[in-house]
Amino acid sequence: AQTVTQSQPEMSVQEAETVTLSCTYDTSESDYYLFWYKQPPSRQMILVIRQEAYKQQNATENRFSVNFQKAAKSFSLKISDSQLGDAAMYFCASPSLTQGGSEKLVFGKGTKLTVNP
Amino acid sequence: DTEVTQTPKHLVMGMTNKKSLKCEQHMGHRAMYWYKQKAKKPPELMFVYSYEKLSINESVPSRFSPECPNSSLLNLHLHALQPEDSALYLCASSQEHAAIYGYTFGSGTRLTVV
Repeated sequence: AQTVTQSQPEMSVQEAETVTLSCTYDTSESDYYLFWYKQPPSRQMILVIRQEAYKQQNATENRFSVNFQKAAKSFSLKISDSQLGDAAMYFCASPSLTQGGSEKLVFGKGTKLTVNP
Repeated sequence: DTEVTQTPKHLVMGMTNKKSLKCEQHMGHRAMYWYKQKAKKPPELMFVYSYEKLSINESVPSRFSPECPNSSLLNLHLHALQPEDSALYLCASSQEHAAIYGYTFGSGTRLTVV
């Protein structure tokens, strides 16, 4: 079973600056995926970036990148050149297989990011 | 079409009412999910349908009744709800290998039980 922990309830960043959101996880699986989702006030959960555990290279999507430390079970999200539209709740998540063989997405508690102009 | 559409966006219902939430996707996804999200909390899984069959029920009270009439449509029937059931209800869908591709979420239904 997966557990996902986000230890920063809130973070703030100045527009155009860089911010890093932390996430740690625990798993007994050998191969797994990790996701960062963004939930703006519009409420929709939007997939920001994903990382496959067996890939050594950190995933990057435009201004968003991850620092994946497999041994430390750490999966942080770096947002470069922060924009006002980046303000949202950010959830770290990982799929977990249930006993019945189905899959469910396990979320961390979230980090609320504020972007200051 | 790369969206999950949820209706209604807002719903206010009394504790004796019966209402339904609707979720629709046309991406060919074979798994669909209902999540409940309270304010400032992460989403909590309620139900999973895989190939139109219920595969996970996270011990949800029977006043919530899911239905998957076809592979594109997911309903959540509500009856005799309590005020503490007020929350954002999110629907999501995924391809067969959800772990690889992630999940697509709708914008949710904001439910208030009075």
